[in-house]
Amino acid sequence: NAGVTQTPKFQVLKTGQSMTLQCAQDMNHNSMYWYRQDPGMGLRLIYYSASEGTTDKGEVPNGYNVSRLNKREFSLRLESAAPSQTSVYFCASSDGRTGTDTQYFGPGTRLTVL
Amino acid sequence: DQQVKQNSPSLSVQEGRISILNCDYTNSMFDYFLWYKKYPAEGPTFLISISSIKDKNEDGRFTVFLNKSAKHLSLHIVPSQPGDSAVYFCAAWTSGTYKYIFGTGTRLKVLA
Repeated sequence: NAGVTQTPKFQVLKTGQSMTLQCAQDMNHNSMYWYRQDPGMGLRLIYYSASEGTTDKGEVPNGYNVSRLNKREFSLRLESAAPSQTSVYFCASSDGRTGTDTQYFGPGTRLTVL
Repeated sequence: DQQVKQNSPSLSVQEGRISILNCDYTNSMFDYFLWYKKYPAEGPTFLISISSIKDKNEDGRFTVFLNKSAKHLSLHIVPSQPGDSAVYFCAAWTSGTYKYIFGTGTRLKVLA
């Protein structure tokens, strides 16, 4: 039982390049989330998927797109990377059926945009 | 507009003493609060939670207190251990939404 896995662990991009961050969970959770963590800013929600087939914007969605590929997988795409997107990205999942769900986080992807 | 605030970026405590981490919020619609712990190069892990209908929840060495009138919650760790050294995030949730709002985190250092 791996929980939430993320790939890659590290990535360096040049401005304007694109990439997709992958996330998968094996806990049969309904809801999945993408956050970014920046110094002094805490964790900010980028996008979330309350259930398979749905996605919604969080606090900071600009410059990102997401795909809920199936119940297990939720990917985050940067179409044209910018230095402001240098951050640590965390994927999380939760059962999604109650209002008190614990979110389980992956180990993170450290992204640097030059 | 920071709805969940952790005003102390860092805290140092001697091993065996009490650690008190604080969190303030502005949105009275929050009805569930959580604390997460994060070690370097790892994702946050759930620590303890409290519903807005309670004022205290305890789990071993960890106790969370909620003061709704002051819109304030705190996490007490007694006794503190060096392994507790980490960044602690508080988070708040409103029923019917899927979004946690996280604070900015407090880095706790427990000195041996």
